[in-house]
Amino acid sequence: AQKITQTQPGMFVQEKEAVTLDCTYDTSDQSYGLFWYKQPSSGEMIFLIYQGSYDEQNATEGRYSLNFQKARKSANLVISASQLGDSAMYFCAMRRPISSGSARQLTFGSGTQLTVLP
Amino acid sequence: DAGVTQSPTHLIKTRGQQVTLRCSPKSGHDTVSWYQQALGQGPQFIFQYYEEEERQRGNFPDRFSGHQFPNYSSELNVNALLLGDSALYLCASSQDGWYQETQYFGPGTRLLVL
Repeated sequence: AQKITQTQPGMFVQEKEAVTLDCTYDTSDQSYGLFWYKQPSSGEMIFLIYQGSYDEQNATEGRYSLNFQKARKSANLVISASQLGDSAMYFCAMRRPISSGSARQLTFGSGTQLTVLP
Repeated sequence: DAGVTQSPTHLIKTRGQQVTLRCSPKSGHDTVSWYQQALGQGPQFIFQYYEEEERQRGNFPDRFSGHQFPNYSSELNVNALLLGDSALYLCASSQDGWYQETQYFGPGTRLLVL
């Protein structure tokens, strides 16, 4: 079974500094997708970034980058130049390959609450 | 470009009642997934609808059922509500495909069962 582990229940970062949110995963699949979502207190899950298991380069989207280390099964999210609006819960999620019977669902970790301090 | 919308935003029910939640997908999307998020946890997959049929289901009892309409909108029905059904219910839409199929989420419906 697939499992996502986020070991940091809460993180604090000073405004304008960079922060890394950890995510490790467990899967026997060779092909899979990794996602990060942001969930503000309002509840909506906002898609941030995607990394495919066969992508050779780490994904980047603006201030977000994904530090993908396949051998270690880790997919850490790096947020550069933190802003007050980055304060939210962050979830790492994984999707199995399309050929599997459960490819359509996302499996989420327990999340990391990030607080950006002024 | 309208994103995923859900209604209602909040709902209070009593045990044993039935509830219907609604979701309209993002423009251009044909697939709708439903997730349950209990307080302090990550979302759990309930099921996914594509071409008006349930394509995949998570570990949820038959009390949870759904429907997809020809315009791709979807409903989630929960019968015989239990206290443990209190949660944030998230709808996500996507465009069916064989590679990256990013799911975009709506604002959710907060259900409280008393």
